[in-house]
Amino acid sequence: DTEVTQTPKHLVMGMTNKKSLKCEQHMGHRAMYWYKQKAKKPPELMFVYSYEKLSINESVPSRFSPECPNSSLLNLHLHALQPEDSALYLCASSQDSVETQYFGPGTRLLVL
Amino acid sequence: AQSVTQLGSHVSVSEGALVLLRCNYSSSVPPYLFWYVQYPNQGLQLLLKYTTGATLVKGINGFEAEFKKSETSFHLTKPSAHMSDAAEYFCAPGGKLIFGQGTELSVKP
Repeated sequence: DTEVTQTPKHLVMGMTNKKSLKCEQHMGHRAMYWYKQKAKKPPELMFVYSYEKLSINESVPSRFSPECPNSSLLNLHLHALQPEDSALYLCASSQDSVETQYFGPGTRLLVL
Repeated sequence: AQSVTQLGSHVSVSEGALVLLRCNYSSSVPPYLFWYVQYPNQGLQLLLKYTTGATLVKGINGFEAEFKKSETSFHLTKPSAHMSDAAEYFCAPGGKLIFGQGTELSVKP
């Protein structure tokens, strides 16, 4: 199974809402990632978890809060987002940072 | 400095024509290079990767790429484009967790 699943597929939220994005993989990968992708742009790295510990935080605003409950799951908690946070949020996993990344289909987020 | 540079943000070819998407890498990049494809409304998917060994790498869907150290290039090619190849293509260096700016491939009937 080389699939990474993400839920929800689409999300619309107001600037005062709290929501969470979920990501799951069952490939036994020890590294998991959150990326943000704006239209017509490459994915931009937000966070990296390695062996369930946060190893990289690319200066992401605190209104984004990642969580890795176990080796298969990755969450991204959202609170008080801004309209400019509207984007496609991609989750990925890999055996390590040098190896192939497997991406989920993404959550398309719209902040009103 | 950008580790990989993709020349051409948009490439348009006719169905059946040769596809050539260009990627040049900087000397600071470790010798691991990837091409990913992103179809509309989907995540990224690995097309092919170069690690070590043979410099001509074959990937899925008939794509291949050649690692040329003398030219610091890793261009992606396909002999005959198909309508289903229309997508965004990203070159990426291994271990850097970044991507090139992307090239959008359009295929005309």
